[in-house]
Amino acid sequence: QQQVKQSPQSLIVQKGGISIINCAYENTAFDYFPWYQQFPGKGPALLIAIRPDVSEKKEGRFTISFNKSAKQFSLHIMDSQPGDSATYFCAASMRSGGYQKVTFGTGTKLQVIP
Amino acid sequence: DVKVTQSSRYLVKRTGEKVFLECVQDMDHENMFWYRQDPGLGLRLIYFSYDVKMKEKGDIPEGYSVSREKKERFSLILESASTNQTSMYLCASSPLTDTQYFGPGTRLTVL
Repeated sequence: QQQVKQSPQSLIVQKGGISIINCAYENTAFDYFPWYQQFPGKGPALLIAIRPDVSEKKEGRFTISFNKSAKQFSLHIMDSQPGDSATYFCAASMRSGGYQKVTFGTGTKLQVIP
Repeated sequence: DVKVTQSSRYLVKRTGEKVFLECVQDMDHENMFWYRQDPGLGLRLIYFSYDVKMKEKGDIPEGYSVSREKKERFSLILESASTNQTSMYLCASSPLTDTQYFGPGTRLTVL
């Protein structure tokens, strides 16, 4: 079964600190690696995504680091803010027929304390 | 903005009842998905549809069925609800690209 392993399950970070969430995958056919952010009472929403032909992608305070040889990728949140408190899901997807089959990690609940 | 709406935010049903969860998207997306979200298990795909009247099983289809009679609407059906189907149900849609757009979820409790 295709799996995406995510850690840690929960994370507490002080305001201004760096939050790091790690994911690992097994299937080398995956070709798209998105991160979704979910606030309480809301559905997940795409935060940032990367393809395996680049090693890093940065959007504002959010950076994905991608290590193709190790089959690992991580989300870094710089200068973490209380408003970043949410559950974060990594995912890996590949094209299967006419759609993109997505496999999600188990989620990381991030709490940023003032 | 893409909007995916789900018919109920909270639902309480009894064991053995037939349950319908509806999802509507307004962006003419080809693909629609149903997931369930449980603590520590992440999002698990139940069923998806890549066209009207077309459906494919996901990773955990047992105990569920789906219907897609119109492009914008995708229904999840629990033929005979059981307590182990108590969960958060998330609908998503996507065009023929990578990003999935999620609805707010339906928290279903089966007593």
